[in-house]
Amino acid sequence: EIVLTQSPGTLSLSPGERATLSCRASQSVSSSYLAWYQQKPGQAPRLLIYGASSRATGIPDRFSGSGSGTDFTLTISRLEPEDFAVYYCQQYGSSPMVTFGPGTKVDIK
Amino acid sequence: EVQLVESGGGLVKPGGSLRLSCAASGFTFSSYSMNWVRQAPGKGLEWVSSISSSSSYIYYADSVKGRFTISRDNAKNSLYLQMNSLRAEDTAVYYCARLTGSGSDAFDIWGQGTMVTVSS
Repeated sequence: EIVLTQSPGTLSLSPGERATLSCRASQSVSSSYLAWYQQKPGQAPRLLIYGASSRATGIPDRFSGSGSGTDFTLTISRLEPEDFAVYYCQQYGSSPMVTFGPGTKVDIK
Repeated sequence: EVQLVESGGGLVKPGGSLRLSCAASGFTFSSYSMNWVRQAPGKGLEWVSSISSSSSYIYYADSVKGRFTISRDNAKNSLYLQMNSLRAEDTAVYYCARLTGSGSDAFDIWGQGTMVTVSS
């Protein structure tokens, strides 16, 4: 069973700063099936990154994803006020079929 | 507009049943695998179940296997989740989500969610 671990649990930053979020898998994950989501309070998650590094439609280029194997990273180059939210990584296709990480909350310092 | 709209949530007693629906519009529903994902109050996301475009492949999380049944009606552009033997720990917002199916699979479209509360 693949377990995803995200760090840090909470990231306190100011607008304009760079955010680096980590997602580590207990076993190797195909890069094709590693995604990142953003969720704001009271809203459904929104797909940001798929295939580890491809931005979803309409996602600003300040969001970027990288990594392979067991270590993946979501980077927000310069935080905008609307970027303060919870971010989840997800793997698809390995038992169990889908796994989400526990999330990283990015809040305003 | 591409859209998913869930319905059917509510308050149910432990051991009871509930059927959730997800109405799809704005895309060719029959071409996509679909999923249910839930989120307990104040907690993270938990995948519940997946169904392929033609219902040939169905998967469940261990936590719901044997109690929940996913199904779809492509003629009605609808996805369903039949939930039986409900427990307090099934209390959550339930989202339906579309799988991109692009070869780099992810959930690209989500509904707004429907709340299920299991309590006596």
